[in-house]
Amino acid sequence: QKEVEQDPGPLSVPEGAIVSLNCTYSNSAFQYFMWYRQYSRKGPELLMYTYSSGNKEDGRFTAQVDKSSKYISLFIRDSQPSDSATYLCAMSAMDSSYKLIFGSGTRLLVRP
Amino acid sequence: ETGVTQSPTHLIKTRGQQVTLRCSSQSGHNTVSWYQQALGQGPQFIFQYYREEENGRGNFPPRFSGLQFPNYSSELNVNALELDDSALYLCASSLEGMRPNGGYTFGSGTRLTVV
Repeated sequence: QKEVEQDPGPLSVPEGAIVSLNCTYSNSAFQYFMWYRQYSRKGPELLMYTYSSGNKEDGRFTAQVDKSSKYISLFIRDSQPSDSATYLCAMSAMDSSYKLIFGSGTRLLVRP
Repeated sequence: ETGVTQSPTHLIKTRGQQVTLRCSSQSGHNTVSWYQQALGQGPQFIFQYYREEENGRGNFPPRFSGLQFPNYSSELNVNALELDDSALYLCASSLEGMRPNGGYTFGSGTRLTVV
């Protein structure tokens, strides 16, 4: 079993829809939770970062962390065709290297 | 702020050869990590360097090695290339030393193809 599970999709939605992306994890030591967006043949770009539990909002994006359920979510409101990309969740424990453990990514397509 | 720069962008090597990939960290970042991303997968941690010392390593064999220089730029070396080494290799730098506060900044990667 992988430490971080993420549905690969693809997820196809019409423009303006609310998108919900999710990851589950098994390692209770994870304290840092991130969402990255990756366009084809590009490096990941940080969208949201959360330390420990709770919600965080930034513009059209909301990140939620539920450590009791080992479940994190990213919501995208008023989705745009430019949001079409692969979304990667990433997590890190407070060990010496703080290495990131990634999900496999969810492909999102927002249709005009 | 210059961001993270990786070179080359694309590379084709033959099985058994050796390859060196390069990374220039974002200005002021003293921690650099390398990740391997196979097609359709998330990035996997190879190793991390902090102030020129290796600080953590993932499940990769010793033929994957690295260096960090005093200016915080970095190299990833892979010896005895195998077909499965074909992937996008990503470099990421961090401002806050070893803590991912605010996350890491990734470069666009080097796409390595082994034939």
